[in-house]
Amino acid sequence: EVQLVQSGAEVKKPGESLKISCKGSGYSFTSYWIGWVRQIPGKGLDWMGIIYPGDSDTRYSPSFQGQVTISADNSINTAYLQWSTLEASDSAMFYCARSTGSSGSYYDYWGQGTLVTVSS
Amino acid sequence: DIQMTQSPSSLSASVGDRVTITCQASQGISKYLNWYQQIPGKPPKLLISDVSNLKTGVPSRFSGSGSGTYFTFTISSLQPEDIATYYCQQYDNIPHSFGQGTKLEIK
Repeated sequence: EVQLVQSGAEVKKPGESLKISCKGSGYSFTSYWIGWVRQIPGKGLDWMGIIYPGDSDTRYSPSFQGQVTISADNSINTAYLQWSTLEASDSAMFYCARSTGSSGSYYDYWGQGTLVTVSS
Repeated sequence: DIQMTQSPSSLSASVGDRVTITCQASQGISKYLNWYQQIPGKPPKLLISDVSNLKTGVPSRFSGSGSGTYFTFTISSLQPEDIATYYCQQYDNIPHSFGQGTKLEIK
């Protein structure tokens, strides 16, 4: 069974750093893209970026380029989304999702989400 | 970036009604269009890929059509469990942008 399991909710202060995770199982982790999607509470879905763990090819939305870093550790089948300096506006739910194709296509399996709250 | 415009943003319908949501891309995206359903408190669920490819296990009352810049998503007979927000998404270009969502409610 394909599963993406994300790390737990986080409460951070502005200026702090953060790295959240997404562990894949039940499939070949290096053969599929992992994408990250932001959802501010009560709002829509914002596509952030995508990584192909097989060769670490990473693409970002211009809206998030330079604001976050996407990475992966194939030895533990885990993808990451990290911030070096959090702001209150980074508060949101973040989902990882699996995708296929040459640069991603449909996103067929999703993690349960990680809620990030940034508040002083 | 390709902008995806969904219409309407919200919709109230009765059980058994036929419901249609439209999605317009700011430029041609060929067949690279997906539809997702999101129930509150849950992650999105893929319903349809590549305009009209119904995913395994998704009821046949859901369907999609279109090409180029204009796409439609239809529920042929609305059921109570279909109450959710629906999103289109293009994957022709990075970023794989979503529409703003259509919130579907029961009348």
